[in-house]
Amino acid sequence: QVQLVQSGSEVKKPGASVKVSCKASGYTFTDYLMHWVRQAPGQGLEWMGRINLNAGSIHYAQKFQGRVSMTRDTSTSTVYMELSSLRSEDTAVYYCARVYSAYASPPDYWGQGTLVIVSS
Amino acid sequence: DIQMTQSPSTLSASVGDRVTITCRASQSISMWLAWFQQKPGKAPKLLIYKASTLESGVPSRFSGSGSGTEFTLTISSLQPEDFATYYCQQYNNYSTFGQGTKVEIK
Repeated sequence: QVQLVQSGSEVKKPGASVKVSCKASGYTFTDYLMHWVRQAPGQGLEWMGRINLNAGSIHYAQKFQGRVSMTRDTSTSTVYMELSSLRSEDTAVYYCARVYSAYASPPDYWGQGTLVIVSS
Repeated sequence: DIQMTQSPSTLSASVGDRVTITCRASQSISMWLAWFQQKPGKAPKLLIYKASTLESGVPSRFSGSGSGTEFTLTISSLQPEDFATYYCQQYNNYSTFGQGTKVEIK
């Protein structure tokens, strides 16, 4: 069965970086894109960007340009999202979500979420 | 960037009610719209894609319609498990989510 298993919660100080992992299983990894979406406490869903797991091409939402990096390791079917220069407003649950790459599709499977707390 | 605007932000309803949520795109997204349901502490769940196609396993009381810039999600007869927050998402040009509609018990 399809599973996206994310790394555990993190507590970071302002100015630090965080790297969240998302390990995929149960399907052909390179047939999909991986999107990252975050949700601040009590707020809505915010799209951060996506990475093509075959070609490795990446697109980041303008808001996160220069601060976010998405990478993948095809040998372990794992995707990473690193966010730098953290501030308190980055406190949120971060989700990975897969999207089929062959045609326009929404995310159909999501990770369980990773809580990142930014606090001094 | 394409902006997505949902209305209402909150909706109070009773079990058995027919409920409609609207989502508007700032420019045409053809039919590339999805609807998600999210319950507290859980990841979003895909309900509908391509504006009106029901995801496998989703009850038929959920339906979607629209194209271009105006879309609706309808729950024909609200059930207790449907009290949740609903999000629309455009995937015509990368991705954008609406701000969400919380369906609460009246």
